[in-house]
Amino acid sequence: EAAVTQSPRSKVAVTGGKVTLSCHQTNNHDYMYWYRQDTGHGLRLIHYSYVADSTEKGDIPDGYKASRPSQENFSLILELASLSQTAVYFCASSSNTGQLYFGEGSKLTVL
Amino acid sequence: GEQVEQLPSSLIVQEGASVLINCSYTDSASVYFPWYKQEPGKRLQFIIDIRSNMERKQTQRLTLLFDKKTKHLSLHITATQPGDSAIYFCSATNSGTYQRFGTGTKLQVVP
Repeated sequence: EAAVTQSPRSKVAVTGGKVTLSCHQTNNHDYMYWYRQDTGHGLRLIHYSYVADSTEKGDIPDGYKASRPSQENFSLILELASLSQTAVYFCASSSNTGQLYFGEGSKLTVL
Repeated sequence: GEQVEQLPSSLIVQEGASVLINCSYTDSASVYFPWYKQEPGKRLQFIIDIRSNMERKQTQRLTLLFDKKTKHLSLHITATQPGDSAIYFCSATNSGTYQRFGTGTKLQVVP
């Protein structure tokens, strides 16, 4: 069974603070992604990676950084969290052309 | 970039009824169209996909139709059950980029 795990599952952060969301996959997939889910917007891609030590910008990268230290791990970093970054964040992995396998989501509330 | 739209945004049906969810995309280079289901508070899960060299795909109670000329897809769910209540997302990708998602269709099946 494909497995993508995210941590933390829920977090409350203060405006201007640093937040790191972590993702670990055991699918042996090359591709990993961070999506953001907001009501009315579906899922929008923030960053993705197709190989360790390399990340790419998605459609909404501003205010976010990403890190892929190994094939299994992919982190999303908010250096200066803002109210507008309150959302649910999903990590996913995939092979080159296949379906996405999602994590359970990380609910971030910025106060 | 690719734009993916879904209609309707929500619908309520009686158990046993059939439903149709429509999806359109803009990028003629898109070749792969997976669909996902998200039950309340859960991760997205893959349910069915189709590639641009096909017109129809069926699995159990799901039928996915694809019209390359009009850039349109339709997901037909028959004999709906309360367990089908979820948000359904279509997505699109060409072979070299990531999947872009529609805004989702919230389906509620009432007994």
